[in-house]
Amino acid sequence: AQSVSQHNHHVILSEAASLELGCNYSYGGTVNLFWYVQYPGQHLQLLLKYFSGDPLVKGIKGFEAEFIKSKFSFNLRKPSVQWSDTAEYFCAVNAIKAAGNKLTFGGGTRVLVKP
Amino acid sequence: NAGVTQTPKFQVLKTGQSMTLQCAQDMNHEYMSWYRQDPGMGLRLIHYSVGAGITDQGEVPNGYNVSRSTTEDFPLRLLSAAPSQTSVYFCASSYHGLATYEQYFGPGTRLTVT
Repeated sequence: AQSVSQHNHHVILSEAASLELGCNYSYGGTVNLFWYVQYPGQHLQLLLKYFSGDPLVKGIKGFEAEFIKSKFSFNLRKPSVQWSDTAEYFCAVNAIKAAGNKLTFGGGTRVLVKP
Repeated sequence: NAGVTQTPKFQVLKTGQSMTLQCAQDMNHEYMSWYRQDPGMGLRLIHYSVGAGITDQGEVPNGYNVSRSTTEDFPLRLLSAAPSQTSVYFCASSYHGLATYEQYFGPGTRLTVT
């Protein structure tokens, strides 16, 4: 079965610091990759996604993620965070052939940005 | 356009009680799914549906039933609630009957089973 690991459960940083959240998945075939974000009191929403092509994808609010196939990773980055980036971040994988029509989420990373 | 709606927002049940969590979407999405969110475990897929009349199990289906009689509605039934089902439940939908597309999430239902 496919699995998704987010190694950092909690991250605390100051405004203007850089952020990188790790995401690794277990399946070696074709995958579609996503990062979702849940701001306090709000619905989960899509931050960015990778299907194919350029492994560096850009999403909303200045976030980007890099797909490294050899490392089975899809890490999320933001060069300079703001207080409003305080949220929980979830990596998700759709391993099309192995898992069919299902999305598997990682355990989430809570990010607290101090003003 | 209300998006994905869920009711109730909060619910407390006693062990052994039954209830139905409601989920509806007005975007004509074919794919709908239910997840539960537990601390440190992310979201785990309970059941999903790729269209009216079609449902399938996800990662943690035990103790839950679903049906999909219309495109708009996808209720989740707990037949005999257990404390292990205390969680936050999210419904989501997406286009074209595929998990590949962006999932639109509802606001969640916070369920406590005592």
